[in-house]
Amino acid sequence: EVQLVESGGGLVQPGGSLRLSCAASGFTFTSYWMTWVRQAPGKGLEWVANIKQAGTEKYYVDSVEGRFAISRDNAKSSLYLQMNSLRAEDTAVYYCARWGQALDIWGQGTMVTVSS
Amino acid sequence: EIVLTQSPGTLSLSPGERATLSCRASQSVSSNYLAWYQQKPGQAPRVLIYGASSRATGIPDRFSGSGSGTDFTLTISRLEPEDFAVYYCQKYGSSPWTFGQGTKVEIK
Repeated sequence: EVQLVESGGGLVQPGGSLRLSCAASGFTFTSYWMTWVRQAPGKGLEWVANIKQAGTEKYYVDSVEGRFAISRDNAKSSLYLQMNSLRAEDTAVYYCARWGQALDIWGQGTMVTVSS
Repeated sequence: EIVLTQSPGTLSLSPGERATLSCRASQSVSSNYLAWYQQKPGQAPRVLIYGASSRATGIPDRFSGSGSGTDFTLTISRLEPEDFAVYYCQKYGSSPWTFGQGTKVEIK
């Protein structure tokens, strides 16, 4: 079964850090761009970051540039999002997703809450 | 940065009716790199349409996408009870890969 499973979310204080993980299974991880998308409570979807198959290209939404870092470990079929200098406005469900012909496979999401 | 504006914000319809959702881009979307997603409460989104008009795998043919340039449309020919949800368009191909703000299709 093709699957993405996120982990690592939780409650963190403003200015803190968190690392999200996404474990992929059931497909050839190295063949796909991967993406993080977030959704603040009661709000719409926001694209956060993309990474190319070999990790050689990375792109970020302006609001997280310089604070977040997307990475991948192809040997472990895993995607990561290192989040530093977290702000209240980063509070959201974070989804990892596979880029096929669009974002065709999504994880169930992991909740990140930034609050003191 | 291309901004996507979806309309209407909410669409109130009955099962069996036709739904027409609009996504307008502030600049032309190259190569029609435009996708549509459906999201139900408590669930992750799922892709319906990519390349403006190609149905994703397993998507029923009552869903269709059309448009080019700056104006795109998602049409649901006859609403089934499971189609009441929020729909998002997304542009891709070059960064940033922005989403529209969503259209909620609710039962009238």
